[in-house]
Amino acid sequence: KNEVEQSPQNLTAQEGEFITINCSYSVGISALHWLQQHPGGGIVSLFMLSSGKKKHGRLIATINIQEKHSSLHITASHPRDSAVYICAVPYYGGSQGNLIFGKGTKLSVKP
Amino acid sequence: NAGVTQTPKFQVLKTGQSMTLQCAQDMNHNSMYWYRQDPGMGLRLIYYSASEGTTDKGEVPNGYNVSRLNKREFSLRLESAAPSQTSVYFCASKDAGETQYFGPGTRLLVL
Repeated sequence: KNEVEQSPQNLTAQEGEFITINCSYSVGISALHWLQQHPGGGIVSLFMLSSGKKKHGRLIATINIQEKHSSLHITASHPRDSAVYICAVPYYGGSQGNLIFGKGTKLSVKP
Repeated sequence: NAGVTQTPKFQVLKTGQSMTLQCAQDMNHNSMYWYRQDPGMGLRLIYYSASEGTTDKGEVPNGYNVSRLNKREFSLRLESAAPSQTSVYFCASKDAGETQYFGPGTRLLVL
């Protein structure tokens, strides 16, 4: 069974700052997910990535398969980025199957 | 498209009462999931259905039953609610590209 660790648990930033959230896992995978949970509770998938880097607007996700580590970066952070960011990987490794989720990183961006 | 819908949004039960949480998706996805989210813990899988007519236990199935009524609908039943089942419940469906789409959640309080 895979284990997922996210850091930090909580993060407070000033508007405009560059944000980094980290995720590490224990069993080799070839696909990792990043999700965002809004303050109202809704959960949306941001990225699924297998290698290298993906970018969507001000969000950038990177993964290092060999080191079993992924990062989510937010450039020019804004108060609307305040949310919980969740990393998830396949339960038994690989690229498919049920997911196991990290506990999340709660981000608060102050104006 | 409504995506994934869940009813009810909020429910209060007394210990021993039963209830069914409803979930429906209009994206023609084969796979559907029920998760629970508790403070300080990641999303945990209760049950899943890889396709119409099949259901399987996840990480925390005790005290729950499910029905995959058809391709669209996947319900979660609590036969005899316990305070330990106080949680936020999310339904999700998954597309062929492994991305999961979440419903808005149901907040359940068992007294």
